[in-house]
Amino acid sequence: AQKVTQAQTEISVVEKEDVTLDCVYETRDTTYYLFWYKQPPSGELVFLIRRNSFDEQNEISGRYSWNFQKSTSSFNFTITASQVVDSAVYFCALSGTGGFKTIFGAGTRLFVKA
Amino acid sequence: DTEVTQTPKHLVMGMTNKKSLKCEQHMGHRAMYWYKQKAKKPPELMFVYSYEKLSINESVPSRFSPECPNSSLLNLHLHALQPEDSALYLCASSHVPPGRTGERETQYFGPGTRLLVL
Repeated sequence: AQKVTQAQTEISVVEKEDVTLDCVYETRDTTYYLFWYKQPPSGELVFLIRRNSFDEQNEISGRYSWNFQKSTSSFNFTITASQVVDSAVYFCALSGTGGFKTIFGAGTRLFVKA
Repeated sequence: DTEVTQTPKHLVMGMTNKKSLKCEQHMGHRAMYWYKQKAKKPPELMFVYSYEKLSINESVPSRFSPECPNSSLLNLHLHALQPEDSALYLCASSHVPPGRTGERETQYFGPGTRLLVL
């Protein structure tokens, strides 16, 4: 069975703080894909990253970085120097081979205060 | 043009109505997706089309019927829906179809259609 756990329901930080959103997954597939999405208060969903299970390199994109650790089945997301515009719900997701059965975590709501 | 458009933005329908949601992209993407998202819940993947063929159907009830008439257009036909089907329906597209490893993927989402079934 596949499962994605985002244990942090809500996080509140002050602008310019760094914040890490945790994602732990379970799967029996040897090939799988991990995703992060952002959903701001306006409601649209924004794709942030897709990672396949063979690529354990960490990724940095501007203020965003992702740490993929197969040994602990985690795919954590860090925002450096957070900004008010980062306030959103962030979803981690997992899909198995062929993209079947995509499972989303419950989401983490991030509040960034000025 | 990195835009996915969805029409209508809002839709109210009765349980006996037939309606359709429309999604369009002109980025040359060959994978298109329908997601359903109920209030305060994560999105749920419904269907995936890859090269205009239905490749994934996540056990969605038959009252939802997808259609991909061409590579730019994706429809979701709705018939005999229930009030619990009220949700935000999101369309997305990507250059990389599901299952293709080794390629960087970016998914683009439309703004969604907010559906209310009475």
